[in-house]
Amino acid sequence: DTGVSQDPRHKITKRGQNVTFRCDPISEHNRLYWYRQTLGQGPEFLTYFQNEAQLEKSRLLSNRFSAERPKGSFSTLEIQRTEQGDSAMYLCASRYSPVRGATNTEAFFGQGTRLTVV
Amino acid sequence: AQSVTQLGSHVSVSEGALVLLRCNYSSSVPPYLFWYVQYPNQGLQLLLKYTSAATLVKGINGFEAEFKKSETSFHLTKPSAHMSDAAEYFCAVSLYGNKLVFGAGTILRVKS
Repeated sequence: DTGVSQDPRHKITKRGQNVTFRCDPISEHNRLYWYRQTLGQGPEFLTYFQNEAQLEKSRLLSNRFSAERPKGSFSTLEIQRTEQGDSAMYLCASRYSPVRGATNTEAFFGQGTRLTVV
Repeated sequence: AQSVTQLGSHVSVSEGALVLLRCNYSSSVPPYLFWYVQYPNQGLQLLLKYTSAATLVKGINGFEAEFKKSETSFHLTKPSAHMSDAAEYFCAVSLYGNKLVFGAGTILRVKS
């Protein structure tokens, strides 16, 4: 178990370009979450998957953002036509959760991808 | 809806002194509460969690937190600060253990 892995760790892009980030969760974890963290703030929820199904999206997730989790394994987060306001740390987390019922299992976070839009 | 308020964006203590980081939450249902620590340019590491069992929760690295329903608080404490405790600390609340709602964070500085 190597933990949650995110790639790349850092990305600098020009405004208007598209970027894609990847997250590899812990293998037996069925839930995968994306958060965004800006300087001086706590992480904010973006979206989450139960296996391959995207079950919730935040209002923060504009139509320029899209996330996928094909086959319920790794996930990608794509930002189209990047804007300077997209500059942030993008964090991925995973946990195991039963399909029904509450859970208190721990969410494990990756080290994040820091995006800088210039 | 759930929310978290962390009082004090920066806290400074001397090495060996008591650490107290404050967290108040709002939740429409009994909450799950968490404290995470983040070192620069790193992800978040879980310190401890409250999930309706004992109200005094012990975590890693000597940290503990007490759930007080009447005060809607979940303050984080450590009896004696160490230089390695310098980091940013986040309190979070979760509805039914799903997505986390974080506070704005408290940066802890430890002076030698």
